[in-house]
Amino acid sequence: LAKTTQPISMDSYEGQEVNITCSHNNIATNDYITWYQQFPSQGPRFIIQGYKTKVTNEVASLFIPADRKSSTLSLPRVSLSDTAVYYCLVGDYTGGFKTIFGAGTRLFVKA
Amino acid sequence: EAQVTQNPRYLITVTGKKLTVTCSQNMNHEYMSWYRQDPGLGLRQIYYSMNVEVTDKGDVPEGYKVSRKEKRNFPLILESPSPNQTSLYFCASSQDRVNTEAFFGQGTRLTVV
Repeated sequence: LAKTTQPISMDSYEGQEVNITCSHNNIATNDYITWYQQFPSQGPRFIIQGYKTKVTNEVASLFIPADRKSSTLSLPRVSLSDTAVYYCLVGDYTGGFKTIFGAGTRLFVKA
Repeated sequence: EAQVTQNPRYLITVTGKKLTVTCSQNMNHEYMSWYRQDPGLGLRQIYYSMNVEVTDKGDVPEGYKVSRKEKRNFPLILESPSPNQTSLYFCASSQDRVNTEAFFGQGTRLTVV
């Protein structure tokens, strides 16, 4: 499983776009990139998953460059309720279901 | 409503007294996992299961047991709890290997004194 590196924390203001980058230099060919959001004392919640290029859903976009050694989660127009910890996971899960959550990025959105 | 249900939500117990935390999912998912979350250490996987009667160790399996006799249930068993197992525990399930959107339970806060 590829190790991931994310910033420990980020601050933003309501209405701004927030980009959180995750480094995964040892990503393997079969690996997918998945992002989760977690509020205090709640279980993580799936945000988005991708393999390459760009993926967009109703809450976020995921940008993956051609070399796939990093990925960027983009949250458009954040609100106070987006204050949470965001985790980047990398894994193929084809040989099993072992997962490793890194330390995550604590995003604090201010009014 | 699709959900993963853990019980109990809160538990205080004494060292050495066997306990079971139950986890049940209603989505017919094949894959289920248990995690513990501690301050500064993030989420660490304890055990996972890829199907009925198929389980494997995660990163921190010592002191825990699991079973998967039915697809929907994946109980976590602490045969002889110790204070270092005081933690917040989460159960998760997902549909398959590729579609790895995992659904997490609401958590069980366990205190071992």
